[in-house]
Amino acid sequence: AQSVSQHNHHVILSEAASLELGCNYSYGGTVNLFWYVQYPGQHLQLLLKYFSGDPLVKGIKGFEAEFIKSKFSFNLRKPSVQWSDTAEYFCAVNARGATNKLIFGTGTLLAVQP
Amino acid sequence: NAGVTQTPKFQVLKTGQSMTLQCAQDMNHNSMYWYRQDPGMGLRLIYYSASEGTTDKGEVPNGYNVSRLNKREFSLRLESAAPSQTSVYFCASSEMAAPEAFFGQGTRLTVV
Repeated sequence: AQSVSQHNHHVILSEAASLELGCNYSYGGTVNLFWYVQYPGQHLQLLLKYFSGDPLVKGIKGFEAEFIKSKFSFNLRKPSVQWSDTAEYFCAVNARGATNKLIFGTGTLLAVQP
Repeated sequence: NAGVTQTPKFQVLKTGQSMTLQCAQDMNHNSMYWYRQDPGMGLRLIYYSASEGTTDKGEVPNGYNVSRLNKREFSLRLESAAPSQTSVYFCASSEMAAPEAFFGQGTRLTVV
């Protein structure tokens, strides 16, 4: 069964600092990978996704993520964070060709200080 | 275009009461999901339905039942609510060929 680990539970950054959030998954087959964002009091929104092709994917609001197959990782990055990036970030994995079950990590709460 | 609609948005139950959370999507998606979100535990999959007519258990199915009423609707039932089921519940839907999930606004449930 697939699983997802996010090791950073709570991250505090100042505006303009760079961000990298770790995500590792456990599954032996081919996967689809996602990052979702949840702003305070809102539902989850898709930030970016990887299905195949270029392992460096770009999402909305200047976020990007790199899929490293050998490390089973899909880390999220942003060169310069803004106060408005304060939110909770979730990594998720879906085993391709299976039943479309989507499994989430425990989330990383990001607080950006102005 | 409403996307995924959940009702109700808030609910308070007494221990032992039952209720059904409703979810409907208008994107013609085949797959639908119910998750619960608890602090520090992320989203945990309760049940999912890969397609109309099928349902499968997720990570935390105990105490819940589901019904895939038709392609649009997927309901979650708590037969006898317990305080441990206090949580925020999210419904989501996706398409098999493009499996990014779209989420509803959530239902905040408190069991006292």
